[in-house]
Amino acid sequence: RKEVEQDPGPFNVPEGATVAFNCTYSNSASQSFFWYRQDCRKEPKLLMSVYSSGNEDGRFTAQLNRASQYISLLIRDSKLSDSATYLCVTFNAGGTSYGKLTFGQGTILTVHP
Amino acid sequence: DAGVIQSPRHEVTEMGQEVTLRCKPISGHDYLFWYRQTMMRGLELLIYFNNNVPIDDSGMPEDRFSAKMPNASFSTLKIQPSEPRDSAVYFCASSLVVGGYTFGSGTRLTVV
Repeated sequence: RKEVEQDPGPFNVPEGATVAFNCTYSNSASQSFFWYRQDCRKEPKLLMSVYSSGNEDGRFTAQLNRASQYISLLIRDSKLSDSATYLCVTFNAGGTSYGKLTFGQGTILTVHP
Repeated sequence: DAGVIQSPRHEVTEMGQEVTLRCKPISGHDYLFWYRQTMMRGLELLIYFNNNVPIDDSGMPEDRFSAKMPNASFSTLKIQPSEPRDSAVYFCASSLVVGGYTFGSGTRLTVV
């Protein structure tokens, strides 16, 4: 079983739609959580951190449920420019692997006109 | 800030040849990571360093792979001998103790 699991998609949605991605993680030592975005043939870039209380950044909302070891990302009013792969990421704060980020396989999103 | 700098951007080599990938992290970052990305396996952590010391190399596929960080501003990932299954995009990333990574643009390696 992968340490961070995501539905690979692809998600194909029209402009203006709301889309949600889910992610589960298995390592209970994970302390911090992030969503990264990766455009085709580019490097991953940090999209936003994820906090237990939930957090918003414009059209993007991230949620964390530590009890269920579950992370989500909601994108409202989708734009064509949101088309990318979204990577769920955990930060390991325990033991000898402190400082290590573990990436999910990514969820592919395509927003069409 | 120039970000994380990787070279070369593209590398095509013949099977059996030695390949060296290079990375310059962001100045002041404590951690440096080498990742490999393929369609089949996604992003895989190969090795990472803290203050130039290797911390976890459990992701290095086999003895053909080696990585060094002789100082805080430079790291190399070497594959010797290279094989076609090593074809992938190799990313270097750096970070402070806690925080998001900054990735380099990657090296696209093709072994024929």
